[in-house]
Amino acid sequence: DTAVSQTPKYLVTQMGNDKSIKCEQNLGHDTMYWYKQDSKKFLKIMFSYNNKELIINETVPNRFSPKSPDKAHLNLHINSLELGDSAVYFCASSQVADTQYFGPGTRLTVL
Amino acid sequence: LAKTTQPISMDSYEGQEVNITCSHNNIATNDYITWYQQFPSQGPRFIIQGYKTKVTNEVASLFIPADRKSSTLSLPRVSLSDTAVYYCLVGDGDNQGGKLIFGQGTELSVKP
Repeated sequence: DTAVSQTPKYLVTQMGNDKSIKCEQNLGHDTMYWYKQDSKKFLKIMFSYNNKELIINETVPNRFSPKSPDKAHLNLHINSLELGDSAVYFCASSQVADTQYFGPGTRLTVL
Repeated sequence: LAKTTQPISMDSYEGQEVNITCSHNNIATNDYITWYQQFPSQGPRFIIQGYKTKVTNEVASLFIPADRKSSTLSLPRVSLSDTAVYYCLVGDGDNQGGKLIFGQGTELSVKP
C-alpha cells in the first residue's frame, strides 16, 4: 500500500536517448510535483500539477515534459538526455499546502 | 526570490537535544514553514510544519519568531537513527501561493 510510487527506481541510459519516469499516488491528493536532487543533495522543484493542470513550471529545459493523464499520475518524459541530467528525480503529492509525500526516487544516470 | 540558509552539517551524541536553524528571507506571507528528513536512498519525509510561534509533535518542535525570517527545528534526545539530512521548505515571497524552495539541507550525524 505504497503512497507515492515511482518507476523505474534506477535508469541508466546513453546521451541523446529519450526516457520516461512514471509516478502514481494513491492518497487522493490533488497536487503532484517533480523535483530534481543533484549530487550535492540540493532539491529543486521542476513542475507542479493541480488536478491535471500545470501550476508551477520552473526554468527547466523544454526537453523535460510532464504529463498528467489523471490526478493520480504525473509522468516525466525527457528528450535528448544530456550528462547534466544525471540526478535523482523525486515525485511528490500533497493535499494541504507544503505537506508533501515523496516517492522513493528514480536515480537517472546518463552515460 | 526567497533565500534560505542552513548549516551544511552538525554533529551530536545520543541523548542530546539538537537544534537546526534555517534562515529564510522574502518568504510567502501566507505559507507554512515545513521541515523534512531524508535518509540515504529515500525520499524526504515530513517532520513538522508551522506558521508562527511554536509547534510540537511526537518527534520534534518547531520555533518560528514573529518576523518569520528563520525557523528552528528541535529534536529532543536524538538517537543514532536520527542521522539524516534535514531540510526546511518555504514558499517564495515573489510567487505568493506558488513556488516552493528547499533549504540546502543539514547533514546531522549522531554518534554513540
